[in-house]
Amino acid sequence: GAVVSQHPSWVICKSGTSVKIECRSLDFQATTMFWYRQFPKQSLMLMATSNEGSKATYEQGVEKDKFLINHASLTLSTLTVTSAHPEDSSFYICSANSGRAAINYNEQFFGPGTRLTVL
Amino acid sequence: LAKTTQPISMDSYEGQEVNITCSHNNIATNDYITWYQQFPSQGPRFIIQGYKTKVTNEVASLFIPADRKSSTLSLPRVSLSDTAVYYCLVGDNQAGTALIFGKGTTLSVSS
Repeated sequence: GAVVSQHPSWVICKSGTSVKIECRSLDFQATTMFWYRQFPKQSLMLMATSNEGSKATYEQGVEKDKFLINHASLTLSTLTVTSAHPEDSSFYICSANSGRAAINYNEQFFGPGTRLTVL
Repeated sequence: LAKTTQPISMDSYEGQEVNITCSHNNIATNDYITWYQQFPSQGPRFIIQGYKTKVTNEVASLFIPADRKSSTLSLPRVSLSDTAVYYCLVGDNQAGTALIFGKGTTLSVSS
C-alpha cells in the first residue's frame, strides 16, 4: 500500500530558530503534496498545496515567507518553519497525491505527522 | 465547497452499531462524500467514499439518500479501538484536489 513518512516525528526548538520537516512518499510518486496544521482539539487546517517543480500555493492567512515549502522531487516535499515562535507550536501533517485516477476517490495518503514545540 | 455539519461528539459501547450523520445541503453534482478517521497524534486515514445510495467495505457502510443532502457513516459492532475523530468531507474527485476538513465527530467507545 501507499506509505507517506514524515521526519522528524517530533521536534523541540528554541524561539527564533528554523525547523525543517520532511514528507516522503515511499512507494509512489507524488505529483502533489499538501501541508496541514492541527492545533489541539481542532481540525486539520490546509496550509498549502505543493506541486513538484513549481511554487507552492498557500492558503489565505498562511505566510509564505514564514512557512517555506519545497517540492524538489516526486517523492519529497519539505516544510521549513522559519524563525519559529511558540505560537507556531502545532501538529504538522502532510499528505501526498499520486495524481492517478483512482477507482474510488481522490487518492491521498497522509503522513504520521510532526509535533513541533517551540520554547 | 459544500459545508458539512456533524455532531461534535458521540458515545457508544463496545459491540454496538454507531451511525454518524453528516449534513451537506449544498452538495454539488460533481461532489463525492468521503469519510476519514483520525487517531490522536496520527494523520487521517481514508475509511469510505460514495456518491449515492449505499457503499459498503470491510470497515464501514455509507448510506446516502437520493437527495444527497446528508450521509450516514455506519460502523458495525464498534470496539475500543474505534475511538477516534471521524471527518465527513464533500468535494469533487479530481486528482490533486485539496481536502478541506470540517470539525469532525469525536467518537468515544467504552467497555
